Amino acid sequence: GAGVSQSPSNKVTEKGKDVELRCDPISGHTALYWYRQRLGQGLEFLIYFQGNSAPDKSGLPSDRFSAERTGESVSTLTIQRTQQEDSAVYLCASSLVRLVQETQYFGPGTRLLVL
Amino acid sequence: ELKVEQNPLFLSMQEGKNYTIYCNYSTTSDRLYWYRQDPGKSLESLFVLLSNGAVKQEGRLMASLDTKARLSTLHITAAVHDLSATYFCAVDRGSNYKLTFGKGTLLTVNP
Repeated sequence: GAGVSQSPSNKVTEKGKDVELRCDPISGHTALYWYRQRLGQGLEFLIYFQGNSAPDKSGLPSDRFSAERTGESVSTLTIQRTQQEDSAVYLCASSLVRLVQETQYFGPGTRLLVL
Repeated sequence: ELKVEQNPLFLSMQEGKNYTIYCNYSTTSDRLYWYRQDPGKSLESLFVLLSNGAVKQEGRLMASLDTKARLSTLHITAAVHDLSATYFCAVDRGSNYKLTFGKGTLLTVNP
């Protein structure tokens, strides 16, 4: 079956522009996560959506970052007024959330470069 | 704040040798995960460890969890070149399944 997909795969933008990143989770997965991975680093949690519950936004680094999810499907991560330090790979993951933990399945990521 | 530390961060080893990667975490955790990442690729799930004493094996990789010591190990047996990748451990705490990742161990297996 189809895995997690993300678009675009690469994005180059100028400082100060807004960007929108898209994630399509695995069908039926109720949980969706966004992470950021800077060069040579581990992943930083950004935001978590679970069903119709209020999202956990505790990882968003500033108010320039926001994310939305439509029901239990597509999510978009928006970065406003991009800065050079926003350059990173943005990874989306999805999972089933049941009594027994399911692993998170990661998409291929969007490589963002802010010039 | 939950902290996850991996060591070593860089590991170069010869084919056929054994080695262990360590993952320490700072507070009580519900679950521990190991992921593999190839250059330019996304993360691939290797193991999910759910309880104290859990041990899982897949091919030349074996992962274990000691919740009392807050330590997980990833043991590599008779390494082969195909195992070259970056390995991440991640810890989940709380009901929202938010993962905190270590910085990763870059493993290079040389012929």
